[in-house]
Amino acid sequence: QKEVEQNSGPLSVPEGAIASLNCTYSDRGSQSFFWYRQYSGKSPELIMSIYSNGDKEDGRFTAQLNKASQYVSLLIRDSQPSDSATYLCAVNKISGNQFYFGTGTSLTVIP
Amino acid sequence: NAGVTQTPKFQVLKTGQSMTLQCAQDMNHNSMYWYRQDPGMGLRLIYYSASEGTTDKGEVPNGYNVSRLNKREFSLRLESAAPSQTSVYFCASSEVVVIGGANYGYTFGSGTRLTVV
Repeated sequence: QKEVEQNSGPLSVPEGAIASLNCTYSDRGSQSFFWYRQYSGKSPELIMSIYSNGDKEDGRFTAQLNKASQYVSLLIRDSQPSDSATYLCAVNKISGNQFYFGTGTSLTVIP
Repeated sequence: NAGVTQTPKFQVLKTGQSMTLQCAQDMNHNSMYWYRQDPGMGLRLIYYSASEGTTDKGEVPNGYNVSRLNKREFSLRLESAAPSQTSVYFCASSEVVVIGGANYGYTFGSGTRLTVV
């Protein structure tokens, strides 16, 4: 079983719509959760972090964490073509400080 | 503020050659990491250094060695390159709060695209 699983997509949404990206993780003791955005040919860029159950909002981005279900999601409201990228979910296990990454979900926002 | 600087950006090696990838961060982070990224495989941890003077193996350490030269610098060495090591390599750093183990997320370098022929 993979540590972190994401639907690879591709996910396509029209401009202005809400994009919903999902991630599940296997270690119930995991304590820190992150979403990274990676444009083609570029390095990953941190866009959201979440540490406790519930929702965390930052501009057009909302991260949601449900530790009981071992589930993390990212919502992008009012999606823009510039949001087209691969989104990586990362989980930090309690036993160490290294992260485990999902393989990423490719998002395309259609103008 | 440069963040995390990796060199070189591109490299082509012949099978059996050696090389060192350099990484330096100027954010005073205590932890540094080397990842490789391959299509369909995602980011996989090669080695990491939780603090100056320590290094630990990650998920895919075979064929690599690392050196944490000081708090700023963490290098990755391929002693005898193989075609299977063709990949994009990312260095990252992070600040980790030891008590409680909270990690505030990675800052990545721009990557090194390595091809072994």
